[in-house]
Amino acid sequence: DAKTTQPNSMESNEEEPVHLPCNHSTISGTDYIHWYRQLPSQGPEYVIHGLTSNVNNRMASLAIAEDRKSSTLILHRATLRDAAVYYCILRSAGGTSYGKLTFGQGTILTVHP
Amino acid sequence: NAGVTQTPKFQVLKTGQSMTLQCAQDMNHEYMSWYRQDPGMGLRLIHYSVGAGITDQGEVPNGYNVSRSTTEDFPLRLLSAAPSQTSVYFCASRYGGSSYNEQFFGPGTRLTVL
Repeated sequence: DAKTTQPNSMESNEEEPVHLPCNHSTISGTDYIHWYRQLPSQGPEYVIHGLTSNVNNRMASLAIAEDRKSSTLILHRATLRDAAVYYCILRSAGGTSYGKLTFGQGTILTVHP
Repeated sequence: NAGVTQTPKFQVLKTGQSMTLQCAQDMNHEYMSWYRQDPGMGLRLIHYSVGAGITDQGEVPNGYNVSRSTTEDFPLRLLSAAPSQTSVYFCASRYGGSSYNEQFFGPGTRLTVL
């Protein structure tokens, strides 16, 4: 599986935008970029995914570099409830990988009031 | 929908004991999987299933068995518990078809093996 690199931790103030970076220089053409987050003492939850184009949903935006070797998860206005570990995951669309999720260590996001 | 449910929430075992962690989903998802998460680490895939009667090994399968007799249930059995199996266990499910479909995770079972 292609590998992702994320900063260990980031901090933000409440109601400010947060940009969480992810590098994936060995991404293949069939890999989707997924983001999940894990709130304290909970299971991971889906945030967003994309392939080539930027994506928006009610939780966040995903900006994908033109060469697809990096991406950025954007939380437009951080709240205290957004404090979590954010995982950037590459997921193959085909082959025998079953589309399984391979979790790295993620980025711990701290949001200050 | 209840989503993905897991029981028990907490469990303490002695070395050598066996037990089954339960997982159920009511979303008619084809794919189900089990992950473990050790302190400060990301999740690692133990076993997965692409449908009733079909299971396969993930990244860390040793010491665990699974079976999938129905679409809804995917129990994880620890055959002879060891301290190295102390972890938080998450069950997940998703629709089949496109592999980019989101996974839904249960709340986890926190297991301690003494």
